[in-house]
Amino acid sequence: ETGVTQSPTHLIKTRGQQVTLRCSSQSGHNTVSWYQQALGQGPQFIFQYYREEENGRGNFPPRFSGLQFPNYSSELNVNALELDDSALYLCASSSRDGNTVAFFGQGTRLTVV
Amino acid sequence: AQSVTQLGSHVSVSEGALVLLRCNYSSSVPPYLFWYVQYPNQGLQLLLKYTSAATLVKGINGFEAEFKKSETSFHLTKPSAHMSDAAEYFCAVSENFGNEKLTFGTGTRLTIIP
Repeated sequence: ETGVTQSPTHLIKTRGQQVTLRCSSQSGHNTVSWYQQALGQGPQFIFQYYREEENGRGNFPPRFSGLQFPNYSSELNVNALELDDSALYLCASSSRDGNTVAFFGQGTRLTVV
Repeated sequence: AQSVTQLGSHVSVSEGALVLLRCNYSSSVPPYLFWYVQYPNQGLQLLLKYTSAATLVKGINGFEAEFKKSETSFHLTKPSAHMSDAAEYFCAVSENFGNEKLTFGTGTRLTIIP
């Protein structure tokens, strides 16, 4: 068990809606990264937050946005949901300052209908 | 830009046989390399990592991988497969360690034949 928790574990949304996914990072970790894993694919990097600031972004449109809070937990928000947004969303926490490897949560399975 | 290629989307081995999962990388800077395992409906679990120390890296569950710069490879091996090894395996590369932005391969599904 990694200590990285994500909520909810599953949810179903309708096309055009908005969704918020949450991630609690492991104790002592100050960096959170989000990944999207479509069915049968490897995870794709969405963005990373370090000390509440975005620290790099992958090839995802602006309707994917995020936040990191002072306790280093994080949210991923997706607006105007599309069918192709259906995927497993993974959160990973690490410590940039402590040079620790990233630990992943169990993921949130999002289905857009 | 970095990339990872995993050869073989599906690999089947008999229980007790050698497991070999292939990974080749492309990176413009000295890479950090990782192998992760994913069981059905679960997140990713780190098996092992290469961070420019020893080229032969030992991980959990009896897995190991060898970094070969000349071949740009980081293949994962296990001498004797166990039924519990059946899972999806992902190789990943990053330019950083500690705040890594991982680039993953497409994965290899390992099936163990009883």
